[in-house]
Amino acid sequence: QQQVKQSPQSLIVQKGGISIINCAYENTAFDYFPWYQQFPGKGPALLIAIRPDVSEKKEGRFTISFNKSAKQFSLHIMDSQPGDSATYFCAATVQPGTGNQFYFGTGTSLTVIP
Amino acid sequence: KAGVTQTPRYLIKTRGQQVTLSCSPISGHRSVSWYQQTPGQGLQFLFEYFSETQRNKGNFPGRFSGRQFSNSRSEMNVSTLELGDSALYLCASSWDRGPGQTQYFGPGTRLLVL
Repeated sequence: QQQVKQSPQSLIVQKGGISIINCAYENTAFDYFPWYQQFPGKGPALLIAIRPDVSEKKEGRFTISFNKSAKQFSLHIMDSQPGDSATYFCAATVQPGTGNQFYFGTGTSLTVIP
Repeated sequence: KAGVTQTPRYLIKTRGQQVTLSCSPISGHRSVSWYQQTPGQGLQFLFEYFSETQRNKGNFPGRFSGRQFSNSRSEMNVSTLELGDSALYLCASSWDRGPGQTQYFGPGTRLLVL
């Protein structure tokens, strides 16, 4: 059972365009939603994260939009660059009182064409 | 601070063998989580350790086990390897429990089972 559903599986964007990746979740107990970026041969690295009490968070060219009522959140990459070509994972976590457990989406492979 | 380190980086084993992977978290981090990453399934949570105790466990068979030492270093063991165990095994560490704890990933150990 996939706790976090991510789409699209792959994305091709022209340089300078906007990349949009979407995620949806079911568990309303989730209280932290990070996005990770992974380059080939590397482990995932935290890109940006949001809490459910905020509808939008922006860091440079990266923005998370969060819709609590729809249980959806998305990553927007403005002015996409070839260096942004990587796999992106959304995630969600809940603290049940006995530890962290992160649930990841299946990933989106982004290719930015020069 | 040094990042999360994992050894070995690559490993080739045959079916039926067992394997032990090692993870050294960021200095001061007490929580260590393990994930299996495959192209089809994405990142799947294996287990989390905190202060030498397993706090959470994902939906994997008992062939997958782990432990954490007093210095927070962690090992995971897979016994009776199967072809389907071929994957990238990622370790992630975080400071402590609490909402919004960022997980920092190591580069992973790529395991190939022949």
